Amino acid sequence: AQTVTQSQPEMSVQEAETVTLSCTYDTSESNYYLFWYKQPPSRQMILVIRQEAYKQQNATENRFSVNFQKAAKSFSLKISDSQLGDTAMYFCAFTVRGGNEKLTFGTGTRLTIIP
Amino acid sequence: GAGVSQSPSNKVTEKGKDVELRCDPISGHTALYWYRQSLGQGLEFLIYFQGNSAPDKSGLPSDRFSAERTGGSVSTLTIQRTQQEDSAVYLCASSLRGGSGNTEAFFGQGTRLTVV
Repeated sequence: AQTVTQSQPEMSVQEAETVTLSCTYDTSESNYYLFWYKQPPSRQMILVIRQEAYKQQNATENRFSVNFQKAAKSFSLKISDSQLGDTAMYFCAFTVRGGNEKLTFGTGTRLTIIP
Repeated sequence: GAGVSQSPSNKVTEKGKDVELRCDPISGHTALYWYRQSLGQGLEFLIYFQGNSAPDKSGLPSDRFSAERTGGSVSTLTIQRTQQEDSAVYLCASSLRGGSGNTEAFFGQGTRLTVV
C-alpha cells in the first residue's frame, strides 16, 4: 500500500516571498507519478505540477517547482514570488502507473499568503 | 461541458435517508473517479470507471455505497441509509484515456453532504 505524508498542516508567508511545502511518500513500486494539487475555497482540485518517477530532472511550471528526491522518497513544492491567489490547501498525491491509477493523497497543507 | 459538473453543490439529509450525487464528466473522457474528502483529511478513493469495463469498487467503505455510470458518461453515487460519518465532500474526476498519471485528472467542485 502507498502512503503520502504532509507534516505541515498550516503555513503562512509574506507576499512575494518563497515558500516550500514538504511531502514524503512510501511505496515499493518503481514506476509512479507524483503530483501537487491546489484546492481553493471553491473545492475544485487543480493540478499544479506533476513529476514522473523515472525522470531525474525536477519538474517546473512557472513559479512552481519541485525537489524530487527518489531515494529519500521526498517530493517538496517550492512556490516562488508567492501571490495572494496562491492561498489555498495544497495536497501532495501519488499514483502507480498502470491499473486504475487512482490517486493517493496526503492530508494537505493550508497555505496563507499574507499581503 | 467545459468541465466536470457535479450536482447538487450542497446536500443536507436526515440520518437514514438515501441520497444520490451526480457527476457529469468532460465529454469524451473515458475514465471517471469518485473520491471522498472528510473534514481535515485528504481525498480517499471510492470507485473507478473506465469505459465499458467493470468498475473498480475497492474503495467503497460499505455496502451502503454504490455507483453506476450510464452510457459511459454521467455517473451517480448512491448512499443508502445515510449515517453522520458519511458527512463529507464527494469529489468526482475524469480523465481522457484512463489513469491519473499519463493524462490529467480534472475534478469537479464536489458535493458537500451533511447528514443531520
